[in-house]
Amino acid sequence: DGGITQSPKYLFRKEGQNVTLSCEQNLNHDAMYWYRQDPGQGLRLIYYSQIVNDFQKGDIAEGYSVSREKKESFPLTVTSAQKNPTAFYLCASSIITGAPFNEQFFGPGTRLTVL
Amino acid sequence: GENVEQHPSTLSVQEGDSAVIKCTYSDSASNYFPWYKQELGKRPQLIIDIRSNVGEKKDQRIAVTLNKTAKHFSLHITETQPEDSAVYFCAAINKAAGNKLTFGGGTRVLVKP
Repeated sequence: DGGITQSPKYLFRKEGQNVTLSCEQNLNHDAMYWYRQDPGQGLRLIYYSQIVNDFQKGDIAEGYSVSREKKESFPLTVTSAQKNPTAFYLCASSIITGAPFNEQFFGPGTRLTVL
Repeated sequence: GENVEQHPSTLSVQEGDSAVIKCTYSDSASNYFPWYKQELGKRPQLIIDIRSNVGEKKDQRIAVTLNKTAKHFSLHITETQPEDSAVYFCAAINKAAGNKLTFGGGTRVLVKP
């Protein structure tokens, strides 16, 4: 299960607090992604980055922020502006080539609960 | 943008029977369709994928079919085993729009011994 790690595994937050979820990969992948998974729903893309110091919004970026200062790291901050932050957060990474699809490899996830 | 719908949301089968999961997509430019399996408490993992220029692909007990005209694709699991119990997600991607996956809502498969 090595290669892409997320921490912490469980995170509890009080309303009004910002929290940062860690995602690190040692796969030398150029691209990294953050997804949110809610019960009974698929994965929804929050943000993604294909190169250091650059990132794009996904489908549900409101209330979240990211940074990509290093190739290996793509932290996600859940801000107090996110109205319903309780969810399971998955980070993924992939290479970028000219192939039709570059498989995304997922981390083990962080379960965030807002108290 | 792309929209992927997946059915059924839950599927219970007897061990040894087949399981079929169906997905439809909206963007005709989507050209690659991976399937992920997520066991309870674990991360999603790619199990099979298919390109838009291929109608069917098999890998041991699993197969995927694609009907590009109708914009739907399906996952078939034959001779199901208890270890097939998991949540399965279909996804679609239009590489020209970036390496962004759009996932279906998932199917929880339970294989009863």
